[in-house]
Amino acid sequence: RKEVEQDPGPFNVPEGATVAFNCTYSNSASQSFFWYRQDCRKEPKLLMSVYSSGNEDGRFTAQLNRASQYISLLIRDSKLSDSATYLCVAKGDSGGGADGLTFGKGTHLIIQP
Amino acid sequence: DVKVTQSSRYLVKRTGEKVFLECVQDMDHENMFWYRQDPGLGLRLIYFSYDVKMKEKGDIPEGYSVSREKKERFSLILESASTNQTSMYLCASSSWTGTTEQYFGPGTRLTVT
Repeated sequence: RKEVEQDPGPFNVPEGATVAFNCTYSNSASQSFFWYRQDCRKEPKLLMSVYSSGNEDGRFTAQLNRASQYISLLIRDSKLSDSATYLCVAKGDSGGGADGLTFGKGTHLIIQP
Repeated sequence: DVKVTQSSRYLVKRTGEKVFLECVQDMDHENMFWYRQDPGLGLRLIYFSYDVKMKEKGDIPEGYSVSREKKERFSLILESASTNQTSMYLCASSSWTGTTEQYFGPGTRLTVT
C-alpha cells in the first residue's frame, strides 16, 4: 500500500524563525513529489515540486532523499501568512498521467507573532 | 485563470438519499479526480477519470460512482447516502502534459443525517 507519512504537528514557531519538516514515503517507485499548502477551510494548492537535486523558491527549500525515501521542506524567515497545513505528496508513474496523488495527512504550522 | 468549480459549498442530505456532486473545470484538462478529506485521515482518492466516459477506482470507491459525459464535467454520485459519507469532498483536475499539477475546487461539505 502506498503511504506518505508526516508529523501532524502542530508546529508552533515564532515569526522570523526557520522551520523544517520531513515526510517519508513507502512506495519506492514514486517518481514525482510535491508540497501542497492548505489554508484553513480552503482547498490544497501546489506550493512547489520537489526535484532530485533540491530546489528553492524564495524562502522555501525542498529536498528529496531517494535512498532514505524522505522529502523535506524548509521555511526561512517565517511569516504569519505561512500558517497553514503543508501536505506532502507522492505520485507514482505507471505510464499514465492520471495517477491519483498519494497525500500525507499534513503538518499543521502555526507562526506566532 | 485556472478554475475548478463545485456545485455546492455545503449540502445536507438524509440517509438513503441519492446525492450528486458536480465538478466543472475550464482548463480543458484530461484528468479529473474526486477526493474526500476527513480529520486525521487526510485526503483519500475515491475515483478518477483520464478521458470522457473513462473512470478508474481510487483507494476508497465503495459506496460511490462517477460519471464523465463531457470533458469539463465530472460527477460524483452517492447512490444511497450514509452517515459515514459525511465529509469534505474535493474535486481536482490536471493535464497530461507539463507539471501535471492538480488544481482543486473549493470543496463541498456534505453532511448526511
